Amino acid sequence: AQTVTQSQPEMSVQEAETVTLSCTYDTSESDYYLFWYKQPPSRQMILVIRQEAYKQQNATENRFSVNFQKAAKSFSLKISDSQLGDAAMYFCAYRSARSGTSYGKLTFGQGTILTVHP
Amino acid sequence: DVKVTQSSRYLVKRTGEKVFLECVQDMDHENMFWYRQDPGLGLRLIYFSYDVKMKEKGDIPEGYSVSREKKERFSLILESASTNQTSMYLCATLLMGKKAFFGQGTRLTVV
Repeated sequence: AQTVTQSQPEMSVQEAETVTLSCTYDTSESDYYLFWYKQPPSRQMILVIRQEAYKQQNATENRFSVNFQKAAKSFSLKISDSQLGDAAMYFCAYRSARSGTSYGKLTFGQGTILTVHP
Repeated sequence: DVKVTQSSRYLVKRTGEKVFLECVQDMDHENMFWYRQDPGLGLRLIYFSYDVKMKEKGDIPEGYSVSREKKERFSLILESASTNQTSMYLCATLLMGKKAFFGQGTRLTVV
């Protein structure tokens, strides 16, 4: 079974600064996807960024980028130029690339609460 | 965009009651999921369904059952609610090859 671990229950950052959220995972599969989701107080889960394991290049979405280290099974999220609207709970998640009846099953980490100070 | 609607945002039920949490999607997504979210534990999968009348247990199915009679609706059932089922429940849907879409969650309190 796959596991995802986020070891930082809370993080804080000053507006306009950069912050990195950590995530490690464990799997015996070679083909999979990794995600970062944001959950603001509205509770709506928002996909921030996605990484395919077969791609060596780190994914980037505007101010959000990842550091994907496949051998180390590490997947951190870097938020640059932090904004007040970035304050939320962030979840790291894993999904197998295998097809079958369990397709789409997500395994989540424990979450990291990010506070942004003005 | 896909809409995933959960029937209630907040729900208070008594111990021993039978509780139904409903999730409806407005697209033709095959896969639907029920997760439970607890502080310090993240989201954990309770049950999922890959087609009408088809279901599989997730990681924490004990105390729960599900029903999927129509493709667009996936119901989570607490046969006899207990206080340890007080939690946030999130429904999600997925179309093969696409991203997952989540409902806004139901915060259930069992007293």
